[in-house]
Amino acid sequence: DAGVTQSPTHLIKTRGQQVTLRCSPISGHKSVSWYQQVLGQGPQFIFQYYEKEERGRGNFPDRFSARQFPNYSSELNVNALLLGDSALYLCASSPRYGTPSGANVLTFGAGSRLTVL
Amino acid sequence: GQNIDQPTEMTATEGAIVQINCTYQTSGFNGLFWYQQHAGEAPTFLSYNVLDGLEEKGRFSSFLSRSKGYSYLLLKELQMKDSASYLCVVSPNTNAGKSTFGDGTTLTVKP
Repeated sequence: DAGVTQSPTHLIKTRGQQVTLRCSPISGHKSVSWYQQVLGQGPQFIFQYYEKEERGRGNFPDRFSARQFPNYSSELNVNALLLGDSALYLCASSPRYGTPSGANVLTFGAGSRLTVL
Repeated sequence: GQNIDQPTEMTATEGAIVQINCTYQTSGFNGLFWYQQHAGEAPTFLSYNVLDGLEEKGRFSSFLSRSKGYSYLLLKELQMKDSASYLCVVSPNTNAGKSTFGDGTTLTVKP
């Protein structure tokens, strides 16, 4: 079975541009979360979507937005890119929304590495 | 919110045992996870604790004390491939997807 897949794997943008990152969850997983990981730090929560609805948002500006499609795949959009947006963007899926358990763990994709020049 | 503290770096010798500590302060808690992340790769799930005590999984064990806001990950019979960052992760009351990650402990295993 395919794991969580993300695209593109690497991309370079300039300040002020916009970027769209894509994520396909594990088959059967209905919850998708997005995380930003800056070099040397742990991942920071950006968004969670479940059944196409936003279920949580981290401390990120409105330049960040996301959506989930009927097939549970998801897109993360970042507008008006800043140098500080350079990071690894990780998508994680889990079987369902709700109480964490040993069966409801996050499975991460390999990430999209964004460089803003 | 959540605040998670873990050592930045640790070094150990192949075949030895190493314990990586994690302390957390949280407004909501419903589970503590440990993830392993090799350089340039995605985090992968290692262990999960929701109740106090020790969970053992092969060479890896994880301990939780909720009253102390404390956890540790124990790695036995260290191998070179265990060189990685180990992330302590706290999940809030209701939602695994909103997990808060520590900044990770970079473990270097030397021959």
